[in-house]
Amino acid sequence: DQQVKQNSPSLSVQEGRISILNCDYTNSMFDYFLWYKKYPAEGPTFLISISSIKDKNEDGRFTVFLNKSAKHLSLHIVPSQPGDSAVYFCAASGVTTNAGKSTFGDGTTLTVKP
Amino acid sequence: EAGVAQSPRYKIIEKRQSVAFWCNPISGHATLYWYQQILGQGPKLLIQFQNNGVVDDSQLPKDRFSAERLKGVDSTLKIQPAKLEDSAVYLCASSLDHHVMQQFFGPGTRLTVL
Repeated sequence: DQQVKQNSPSLSVQEGRISILNCDYTNSMFDYFLWYKKYPAEGPTFLISISSIKDKNEDGRFTVFLNKSAKHLSLHIVPSQPGDSAVYFCAASGVTTNAGKSTFGDGTTLTVKP
Repeated sequence: EAGVAQSPRYKIIEKRQSVAFWCNPISGHATLYWYQQILGQGPKLLIQFQNNGVVDDSQLPKDRFSAERLKGVDSTLKIQPAKLEDSAVYLCASSLDHHVMQQFFGPGTRLTVL
């Protein structure tokens, strides 16, 4: 049973437009969520995170929204740039359980076209 | 600050052979993780260390996989004997402590089992 799901394997957007990547989770014990970005032949790098006490967190062009009742989060990238083309992983953790353990989704490949 | 180091970067072996991967985490990071990432999937946690103790190895196939972090710094992951389905990228990550959610990943070792 996959506890973190990214239902869109790929997304293509035009440079300058908004990219929206979605993630759903099933385990109600998850209360901290992270997005990682991965380029080919490199390990994932941390992008942005959100705690369940918030419903929004912004960092420059990146904003993560959390809807706890729907067990859904999304990453918005505005404006999208060609350098944003990468695989994006959503990850979820439970602070009150094993805080360091993150469960990852299968990723969404974002392509930003010039 | 040096990142997480892993070696080798690539390894090709025959099934039933053994293989070992090495990881050196960021200096001062107490928590170390080994993940298996099969093509098209997200990273799956194999084992988590806090200093030289195991926190979580529930997903480690212990009949063939072993890992150690004897001095609480670098770590080795071994597979013996390897199976075809072990072909994957093995990622090492570290964090300051198991209460710190953000993980720093190495570049990974791509294993091909023929």
